[in-house]
Amino acid sequence: DQQVKQNSPSLSVQEGRISILNCDYTNSMFDYFLWYKKYPAEGPTFLISISSIKDKNEDGRFTVFLNKSAKHLSLHIVPSQPGDSAVYFCAATLANAGKSTFGDGTTLTVKP
Amino acid sequence: NAGVTQTPKFQVLKTGQSMTLQCAQDMNHEYMSWYRQDPGMGLRLIHYSVGAGITDQGEVPNGYNVSRSTTEDFPLRLLSAAPSQTSVYFCASSYYAGGLLYGYTFGSGTRLTVV
Repeated sequence: DQQVKQNSPSLSVQEGRISILNCDYTNSMFDYFLWYKKYPAEGPTFLISISSIKDKNEDGRFTVFLNKSAKHLSLHIVPSQPGDSAVYFCAATLANAGKSTFGDGTTLTVKP
Repeated sequence: NAGVTQTPKFQVLKTGQSMTLQCAQDMNHEYMSWYRQDPGMGLRLIHYSVGAGITDQGEVPNGYNVSRSTTEDFPLRLLSAAPSQTSVYFCASSYYAGGLLYGYTFGSGTRLTVV
């Protein structure tokens, strides 16, 4: 049973517009959520995170929102840039577990 | 600062061969993990370690062994390679602070093909 799901395999947006990537999880014990960005032939890079005690975290153009009751988080990128085109993974962790569970990723394409 | 270094970057194995994928980090992170990524799929956890001398299984551990004799190194051993192990393998490290496991630093990956 997949505990972290990204139901949209791909997303295409116009440069300058908002990109919204979504992620759902099933385990209510997850207490920390992260987003990673991955370019082809490279390892993922950490982008932004949010603790389960918060509902929003912002870092420049990137904002992550957490809705615990719906077990849903989203990543907003405003404004989107062509360099943001990549695969985005969400991940969730359990306190003291020492590991993260990843979704299958969403491929974002930002068109100039 | 090298971060997480994986070697080799590419490898072709014949079915039944064994090999070790190397992973080293220089950030003094206590947490290290191995993930595999198959086409169109996310990262699946193979094995992980919360400190030197401590390892545990992830979602897909069969066919792989790990050990963690030092904080810096976390090698992944394929015991008898099978075509189903064709994948891209990522090593990652992180640290734990304030009750949270912080974002992983990933290596650049090892692309393994088993024929």
